[in-house]
Amino acid sequence: DVKVTQSSRYLVKRTGEKVFLECVQDMDHENMFWYRQDPGLGLRLIYFSYDVKMKEKGDIPEGYSVSREKKERFSLILESASTNQTSMYLCASSLRAGQRQPQHFGDGTRLSIL
Amino acid sequence: AQKVTQAQTEISVVEKEDVTLDCVYETRDTTYYLFWYKQPPSGELVFLIRRNSFDEQNEISGRYSWNFQKSTSSFNFTITASQVVDSAVYFCALSEANFGNEKLTFGTGTRLTIIP
Repeated sequence: DVKVTQSSRYLVKRTGEKVFLECVQDMDHENMFWYRQDPGLGLRLIYFSYDVKMKEKGDIPEGYSVSREKKERFSLILESASTNQTSMYLCASSLRAGQRQPQHFGDGTRLSIL
Repeated sequence: AQKVTQAQTEISVVEKEDVTLDCVYETRDTTYYLFWYKQPPSGELVFLIRRNSFDEQNEISGRYSWNFQKSTSSFNFTITASQVVDSAVYFCALSEANFGNEKLTFGTGTRLTIIP
């Protein structure tokens, strides 16, 4: 089974801090994704990556950046955290670019910015 | 732009009843993929089904069935003889077939509660 692991289940940070959310997948998947989930809004794509060092903006990239130095790891960075970034963050991966394979999700990180 | 609408925000049914979750989508592409995911209280999204736009055959998997109708742009999900373990938030999602763009557009989800 595919395993997508997010480094923290719960995280509390302060406004203005630089925040790192880490995601690791163990199945050699090419694609990795970061979403945020908010009540009434469903899941919205922040960034995705289809290869090492490659990244593409999703629907709501403002205030975020990403890093993919190794195939298995995809990091989401909040450069200067703000209270409106309090949310549930979900990482996902899928097998190959261009094949629309199902995305496999981690358990999520519930991030609170105080 | 692609869009997915799940008009039912919350549904409650008594155990063993059948329930249908609606999903309506919009896309300009002729080739696309539709998905359903389940999010139980533990939080992890679980993949249920993928369907491409060229395959309108309905699918059944145990108590779950899916009805894909291109004429009405709908991809509805039915649970037969519901059980308490079916309580979750269910998301419908759409992906267009442009190479390199693996983006999934999700609906806002339907929270299903099965009452014992």
